[in-house]
Amino acid sequence: GQQVMQIPQYQHVQEGEDFTTYCNSSTTLSNIQWYKQRPGGHPVFLIQLVKSGEVKKQKRLTFQFGEAKKNSSLHITATQTTDVGTYFCAGWSSGTYKYIFGTGTRLKVLA
Amino acid sequence: DVKVTQSSRYLVKRTGEKVFLECVQDMDHENMFWYRQDPGLGLRLIYFSYDVKMKEKGDIPEGYSVSREKKERFSLILESASTNQTSMYLCASSPGLAGGSSSYNEQFFGPGTRLTVL
Repeated sequence: GQQVMQIPQYQHVQEGEDFTTYCNSSTTLSNIQWYKQRPGGHPVFLIQLVKSGEVKKQKRLTFQFGEAKKNSSLHITATQTTDVGTYFCAGWSSGTYKYIFGTGTRLKVLA
Repeated sequence: DVKVTQSSRYLVKRTGEKVFLECVQDMDHENMFWYRQDPGLGLRLIYFSYDVKMKEKGDIPEGYSVSREKKERFSLILESASTNQTSMYLCASSPGLAGGSSSYNEQFFGPGTRLTVL
């Protein structure tokens, strides 16, 4: 079936190190949204990318949407303890008309 | 602020029981969604609704049904709960119609209901 996989599933980093999570879809997506879920919390919207090859930045976070619109990445520069949580990508599959979430990457930042 | 509320944070039920999970949003959103979240599997869509009395199956609708009698309320029903339905259930809402440009609207999530079926 249609899937959106994220790697890695877990990542532990020292505070100040960089972090990247990758999102890969088996089908073309109309858009990519990124959400963050703090431990014990619910997913909260971070950003959306729509155009092929698009890059957006939010302070220390950089988001990219692949040229083929089948993959995306989230890069955090100089992680802080407040970055702890699970990061999900999600997108709308224009082929199957379904909104799909990725499997998530759980980030732990060690002080 | 958009607010999505769910009827319970924690729920324990027995196998075979009928279970109702309620979700209410206060922002007049057209779209409402039910997901279940399991470790390593992310969020999987159970059902969604883009209008009152309208519903569409998601990826894992088996064993579930939904009801949307009013715009602000979307209920998830487990007709006969089973142990493999033990999970975190998340409700979400978003403005606009599902599909087309409105699918680009962000989803607002409720706090979740952790359901345990014994």
